[in-house]
Amino acid sequence: NAGVTQTPKFRVLKTGQSMTLLCAQDMNHEYMYWYRQDPGMGLRLIHYSVGEGTTAKGEVPDGYNVSRLKKQNFLLGLESAAPSQTSVYFCASSNSGGDTRLYFGPGTRLTVT
Amino acid sequence: RKEVEQDPGPFNVPEGATVAFNCTYSNSASQSFFWYRQDCRKEPKLLMSVYSSGNEDGRFTAQLNRASQYISLLIRDSKLSDSATYLCVVIRAGGTSYGKLTFGQGTILTVHP
Repeated sequence: NAGVTQTPKFRVLKTGQSMTLLCAQDMNHEYMYWYRQDPGMGLRLIHYSVGEGTTAKGEVPDGYNVSRLKKQNFLLGLESAAPSQTSVYFCASSNSGGDTRLYFGPGTRLTVT
Repeated sequence: RKEVEQDPGPFNVPEGATVAFNCTYSNSASQSFFWYRQDCRKEPKLLMSVYSSGNEDGRFTAQLNRASQYISLLIRDSKLSDSATYLCVVIRAGGTSYGKLTFGQGTILTVHP
């Protein structure tokens, strides 16, 4: 099992450019999440999904969109990147919501100049 | 006041030392608690759950104090390999599918020879 994988690992964007981050999991998990991690801020939930075809907003959803067309994939899109979106992005999955273990991907380091 | 707060440290301790960190939470409806470990530039990984009666896993002991609303992590006989950031996670029953899972900002531990 590869667990949770993320592509790309690193990316530099110019302000206004768009990109999609891909998360894939092979554990047949229903729940998937996108977090961003910034110094001194902890991990903050951007969007999450409770199953194929569903998505919902987390704490900091503005400027991001997501899609879960297949159970194993969760895509995070930035339509018009801003310097405030410079961060490390982690995808995670879990068997169910709430009181369960999260499995994280290795992260994507994004810099927006 | 942040919902979950940790002393960011850093804690610098010699090998073999005992070190403890606390994590305070503000919402008394919080119901589940975890410690995650995050190595430098890596993803967080579950270290241990925190049970009401306290629990131990080798050199690690986790405790919950509901009256004072904090959880703690004690590491005995510190090893160089324990150097990492320790994240507390608090889950509040919120009626949403994913519960209301909040990460602390993390406590940095450095164990030196």
